[in-house]
Amino acid sequence: DGGITQSPKYLFRKEGQNVTLSCEQNLNHDAMYWYRQDPGQGLRLIYYSQIVNDFQKGDIAEGYSVSREKKESFPLTVTSAQKNPTAFYLCASTIRRESQNIQYFGAGTRLSVL
Amino acid sequence: GQQVMQIPQYQHVQEGEDFTTYCNSSTTLSNIQWYKQRPGGHPVFLIQLVKSGEVKKQKRLTFQFGEAKKNSSLHITATQTTDVGTYFCAVAGGTSYGKLTFGQGTILTVHP
Repeated sequence: DGGITQSPKYLFRKEGQNVTLSCEQNLNHDAMYWYRQDPGQGLRLIYYSQIVNDFQKGDIAEGYSVSREKKESFPLTVTSAQKNPTAFYLCASTIRRESQNIQYFGAGTRLSVL
Repeated sequence: GQQVMQIPQYQHVQEGEDFTTYCNSSTTLSNIQWYKQRPGGHPVFLIQLVKSGEVKKQKRLTFQFGEAKKNSSLHITATQTTDVGTYFCAVAGGTSYGKLTFGQGTILTVHP
């Protein structure tokens, strides 16, 4: 069953703690993305990666870090430098096609601060 | 980067009424996509529009791309409670392939 798997579904962070959100895809997609969504808001791009071992900052990268060691995996670390991390985090992927760049999303991780 | 303005932010309708959300850009778009996010869920791709003046239909949903390729609309005829959710437009975000810039979304509530 192909798709994008995000884990955990819910995550709680203590002050000063780094936490890592997992995103795995078995769609053989080239590009992967991390978005942050606040209540009633749109999607804001945190980081994206078009190929393995390469990634770029999005619009709100401060306080976050990523890695792309494998095509299938794009974990996001929310560092202690992110002072307002409570949000819904969505991972997405897309295959490289000239005419289309449909993004497929995981089910998301809800992060809260204790 | 590419910017797109989506209105309205919220829309409350009675079941059976129509609904429309609009996306506007100050620059010409190569294409525009629409996504739906159910409450508590994740965005799901609905459609992509590419051609000037293009109109596509999916059952009660009608999607339009403006003649100047600077605006788009999603119209739902005779809303049902299953239509509730947030509708987003998304446009290509610059030269990086696959990168999208999403509109703020329109949150649709349907009262039975």
